[in-house]
Amino acid sequence: NAGVTQTPKFRVLKTGQSMTLLCAQDMNHEYMYWYRQDPGMGLRLIHYSVGEGTTAKGEVPDGYNVSRLKKQNFLLGLESAAPSQTSVYFCASSYPGPGGSLRNEQFFGPGTRLTVL
Amino acid sequence: QQQVKQSPQSLIVQKGGISIINCAYENTAFDYFPWYQQFPGKGPALLIAIRPDVSEKKEGRFTISFNKSAKQFSLHIMDSQPGDSATYFCAASIASGTYKYIFGTGTRLKVLA
Repeated sequence: NAGVTQTPKFRVLKTGQSMTLLCAQDMNHEYMYWYRQDPGMGLRLIHYSVGEGTTAKGEVPDGYNVSRLKKQNFLLGLESAAPSQTSVYFCASSYPGPGGSLRNEQFFGPGTRLTVL
Repeated sequence: QQQVKQSPQSLIVQKGGISIINCAYENTAFDYFPWYQQFPGKGPALLIAIRPDVSEKKEGRFTISFNKSAKQFSLHIMDSQPGDSATYFCAASIASGTYKYIFGTGTRLKVLA
């Protein structure tokens, strides 16, 4: 049981290049999330998905696209990378518990450190 | 309305001391308040969480105090240890629907040996 895994761990891009970050979870979770973490700004939600085939925008979606073709995978794409997208990206997943429960813990992956030059 | 304000930004505590981190929110619809712990180079991991129907929750050395009327909650780490040195994030969400979290900006805790 690997939990949440992210590929790659590190990446350096030049401005204008594109790339896809892959997130995979083996916990059969319905919900998946992409965050970016920047110094002094905490974790900000980029996009999220409440099930296979569905995606929605979070707080900071501009410049990113996502896809959830399979329940266990959530892909984050940068079509034309910009230096402002230099960040650490975290994927998370959760299984929504019944109302009133505390079972909406989000499980995080180890992160991808992206530098855009 | 959607912000969660966290303070302090950094905290240095002697071993055995009490570490206190505070968070405040505006949106009264929030009904789930977790704290996450993050070690360098790792993803955040859930430490402890609370719903607003209780004023306090304790798990070992970690306690959440919740003040619904003031819309504030805090994390207390008793008998702080060097191994507690990490970044701590508070968060708030609505425990139904999309379960999106709004995170605070984080507190970097250093516990001196």
